[in-house]
Amino acid sequence: GQQVMQIPQYQHVQEGEDFTTYCNSSTTLSNIQWYKQRPGGHPVFLIQLVKSGEVKKQKRLTFQFGEAKKNSSLHITATQTTDVGTYFCAGLSGTYKYIFGTGTRLKVLA
Amino acid sequence: DSGVTQTPKHLITATGQRVTLRCSPRSGDLSVYWYQQSLDQGLQFLIQYYNGEERAKGNILERFSAQQFPDLHSELNLSSLELGDSALYFCASSVGGGDQPQHFGDGTRLSIL
Repeated sequence: GQQVMQIPQYQHVQEGEDFTTYCNSSTTLSNIQWYKQRPGGHPVFLIQLVKSGEVKKQKRLTFQFGEAKKNSSLHITATQTTDVGTYFCAGLSGTYKYIFGTGTRLKVLA
Repeated sequence: DSGVTQTPKHLITATGQRVTLRCSPRSGDLSVYWYQQSLDQGLQFLIQYYNGEERAKGNILERFSAQQFPDLHSELNLSSLELGDSALYFCASSVGGGDQPQHFGDGTRLSIL
């Protein structure tokens, strides 16, 4: 079946360093969403990308959707301790079903 | 606060039992999604309802069933529980379906003893 993989699975960074997580789908996606889940919390929607090659920015976060609409990335510039959590991508398969990626757990060391 | 309410927050039961998890979506949202998250795992999509109708199905076991009622709240029924069903069950809602942001509740933590 369709899979959405994320790498890396874990990432530890020093505060102030950059961080990137990559999301790869086995099939073409209609769109992709990114969520952040703080430890002990629930996933919170960050952004949605729809167009091939789309790039969106939210302050220190940059999101990209690949040209083939099969991969995506999230880049955080100058990480802060508030960035700690697990970042999930979620690809829309077909019309209604979202496939969540395996997640990247980020730890930021002060 | 996402506006999505899930009850109960915690549930402890034994193998072979049946439980019902409840979800009230955000006001105005017509779609409800159910997800299972095992310890340190990703989110497994179970099922989606839109305005009372089943819209999409994921890897939902035959022992599990769900429905969405006319007032748009939803229930997830889990029966013949096994130890492996221990997990955090999230409900999410969105305005429509397919290309809308999902707003998650705080989840129900189910522990099977």
